Amino acid sequence: AQSVTQPDIHITVSEGASLELRCNYSYGATPYLFWYVQSPGQGLQLLLKYFSGDTLVQGIKGFEAEFKRSQSSFNLRKPSVHWSDAAEYFCAVGAASGTYKYIFGTGTRLKVLA
Amino acid sequence: DVKVTQSSRYLVKRTGEKVFLECVQDMDHENMFWYRQDPGLGLRLIYFSYDVKMKEKGDIPEGYSVSREKKERFSLILESASTNQTSMYLCASRKTGGYAGELFFGEGSRLTVL
Repeated sequence: AQSVTQPDIHITVSEGASLELRCNYSYGATPYLFWYVQSPGQGLQLLLKYFSGDTLVQGIKGFEAEFKRSQSSFNLRKPSVHWSDAAEYFCAVGAASGTYKYIFGTGTRLKVLA
Repeated sequence: DVKVTQSSRYLVKRTGEKVFLECVQDMDHENMFWYRQDPGLGLRLIYFSYDVKMKEKGDIPEGYSVSREKKERFSLILESASTNQTSMYLCASRKTGGYAGELFFGEGSRLTVL
């Protein structure tokens, strides 16, 4: 079955600390992978995406993610978290072609301590 | 700046009322989506439209219908609202079908059905 798993529902880090949010997927076709961020009461904003090529992708706001095919993972990282990064983060996967279906994880809520 | 606009950010309706949620995009995108977001469940696709007057059911279409008379506008209709339709509704668009490109989201419409 196709699925996206974000094993951490909540994560709390101190401002300035590094961050890693986990995402594992199960998908039969060649996946396109995305990370979105949602601030309270807002819609989702794309942080970064992976389609092909270099497995380490850079996104906005200083985020990066690494695609590891052997582990079916696409973890999101940031070396130094800012208080404004407090939000909910969603990993998503879509097929390389021929579909409108995206599978979203259930999200990880990030809290940043001052 | 690209934009997806959901005209109603917060609505409170009574059981049995007809509810219209409107979404407009200014990016000339062919594809538009309606998702429902509930805590712990991630985003679930209600309906997808790949072009004007064209639609596909998503994963949870029961109790909903849609209308797309113009390319830029995609409406979600709850014919007879029920309390279990209390939720956050997110509209999204993307440029074209055939591959899973990034989605652009609106800010969401939070619906409460009493």
